[in-house]
Amino acid sequence: DQQVKQNSPSLSVQEGRISILNCDYTNSMFDYFLWYKKYPAEGPTFLISISSIKDKNEDGRFTVFLNKSAKHLSLHIVPSQPGDSAVYFCAASAKEYGNKLVFGAGTILRVKS
Amino acid sequence: GAVVSQHPSRVICKSGTSVKIECRSLDFQATTMFWYRQFPKKSLMLMATSNEGSKATYEQGVEKDKFLINHASLTLSTLTVTSAHPEDSSFYICSARDLSGRIYEQFFGPGTRLTVL
Repeated sequence: DQQVKQNSPSLSVQEGRISILNCDYTNSMFDYFLWYKKYPAEGPTFLISISSIKDKNEDGRFTVFLNKSAKHLSLHIVPSQPGDSAVYFCAASAKEYGNKLVFGAGTILRVKS
Repeated sequence: GAVVSQHPSRVICKSGTSVKIECRSLDFQATTMFWYRQFPKKSLMLMATSNEGSKATYEQGVEKDKFLINHASLTLSTLTVTSAHPEDSSFYICSARDLSGRIYEQFFGPGTRLTVL
């Protein structure tokens, strides 16, 4: 049972445009959400996070939006740069589960110059 | 800050041998470390949670006798894949939670590519 879903395996965007990566979850106990970026043969690096009490968090070019009623979150990258090309993982955690991270399957982002 | 290292980065071994992978938090103390496994084009699957000075907690379906985890200090956890078989070939990644940081934040190592022949 996949509790965190990233339904788009890949996304291709032109440099300078906006990249929107989506993530859906099924477990209403999740209270914290994170986005990680991962290059091949490397570990994920933390990008941005959001608590369930907020609906938006912004950090430079990266903004995460959370829609609790729809159990949906999205990561916006604007403007997209070629160096943003990587796999992006959405992750969720809950205090009730010891704050373990549950990951989605990832979305490959390719930013074309 | 918050750097996690893994060693080795890549290992090839024969079927039936055991392989040890080290995970170190270099500039912070980690009471909790996590071990993940990633199959090609798949998500990271949590294998076990390792707490310093106590036994690891394994996720459902993970054989504790096959994947031995030791968390001997606040900066080191090891994963030993015992009697490795080709199906154990995978990318193993560890993460560490900063003792003084936010409880939901984990810092990941660069991963270890294990190939069992």
